[in-house]
Amino acid sequence: DAGITQSPRHKVTETGTPVTLRCHQTENHRYMYWYRQDPGHGLRLIHYSYGVKDTDKGEVSDGYSVSRSKTEDFLLTLESATSSQTSVYFCAISESVLTSLNEQFFGPGTRLTVL
Amino acid sequence: EDKVVQSPLSLVVHEGDTVTLNCSYEVTNFRSLLWYKQEKKAPTFLFMLTSSGIEKKSGRLSSILDKKELFSILNITATQTGDSAVYLCAVEAASGTYKYIFGTGTRLKVLA
Repeated sequence: DAGITQSPRHKVTETGTPVTLRCHQTENHRYMYWYRQDPGHGLRLIHYSYGVKDTDKGEVSDGYSVSRSKTEDFLLTLESATSSQTSVYFCAISESVLTSLNEQFFGPGTRLTVL
Repeated sequence: EDKVVQSPLSLVVHEGDTVTLNCSYEVTNFRSLLWYKQEKKAPTFLFMLTSSGIEKKSGRLSSILDKKELFSILNITATQTGDSAVYLCAVEAASGTYKYIFGTGTRLKVLA
């Protein structure tokens, strides 16, 4: 497996609280992505990053913000969690700086429940 | 609007059967098409296709891309219960930066 970890792996929180999910990679890939996966919707892109401090919105970015201060880390923040943000969140990476291969590899996922 | 459509949505077969999963797409600035297998965890990479007509094979799995008709198929021969999973198709679009658009997947169940 590609060296991608996510933390926490499971979280239960209450509506209105802030939540930060962390994605860490040891593969030196340039691109990092945050997706959410919900039944009937497949994987939907929230935000992605194409370099340190370079981020852009995906198709479901409302209510989420991201930051990438180092190549290895990509943080996803829910400023004020809502029940509609209950989901499984996957981090992914692509485009090795060394090989330019653009297969996308996924982290193990974070199951977030907002009560 | 970019979109990726997979069919069928679900499929139940018996061990030993051959299955064909379909993925059609409408994407501007197509760069590649990827297939993933997802069991009860993160998607795992199967194939990346960039050129029409060139089959990629890995054991009992194979895939091919048709860039003229804008679709790809994933074939699994001699299915086994371990092939039971959701198979995801994603298209990589290159418009300034790279984005992946996912289909909703095909759920395959292989019965013993």
